[in-house]
Amino acid sequence: DQQVKQNSPSLSVQEGRISILNCDYTNSMFDYFLWYKKYPAEGPTFLISISSIKDKNEDGRFTVFLNKSAKHLSLHIVPSQPGDSAVYFCAASLGDSSYKLIFGSGTRLLVRP
Amino acid sequence: KAGVTQTPRYLIKTRGQQVTLSCSPISGHRSVSWYQQTPGQGLQFLFEYFSETQRNKGNFPGRFSGRQFSNSRSEMNVSTLELGDSALYLCASSSLNRGIVDGYTFGSGTRLTVV
Repeated sequence: DQQVKQNSPSLSVQEGRISILNCDYTNSMFDYFLWYKKYPAEGPTFLISISSIKDKNEDGRFTVFLNKSAKHLSLHIVPSQPGDSAVYFCAASLGDSSYKLIFGSGTRLLVRP
Repeated sequence: KAGVTQTPRYLIKTRGQQVTLSCSPISGHRSVSWYQQTPGQGLQFLFEYFSETQRNKGNFPGRFSGRQFSNSRSEMNVSTLELGDSALYLCASSSLNRGIVDGYTFGSGTRLTVV
């Protein structure tokens, strides 16, 4: 049972345009959501997180939106840069009693120059 | 400051053997988690340790085990290796008792190939 799903395995956008990466989840008890970026041969790098009590969190070019009623979150990258090309994972946490992250399968983003 | 260090980076083992992977967290980080990444599966949680105690465990068979030492360094062991254990094993550390808010810092991983 996959509780966190990233249904798009890949995404290609033009440099300077917006990249939108999507993530759906099934467990309404998740209370934190995170996005990680992963380059080949490196570990994932934390990008941005959002608490379930918020619907938006912004950090520079990265904004995460959370729609709890739809159990959906998205990561917006504006403007997209070639260096953003990587695999992006969304992850969810069940909160204080759980110290594990449940990851989606990832979306490979390619930003074309 | 030094990041999360995992050794070795690459490993080839034969079916039926056992393997031990090592993780040195960022200095001062007391929480260490382990994840398995296989193609198309994302990252699957193995276990998490804090102050030498396992606080949470994922849905992996008993062949997968781990421990944490008093200096916060952690090891994971896989016994009776199977071909399906071939994966990238990632270690992550956190400074907070509950590290979710700031996210964990991951190491570069150990690529295990079972032949």
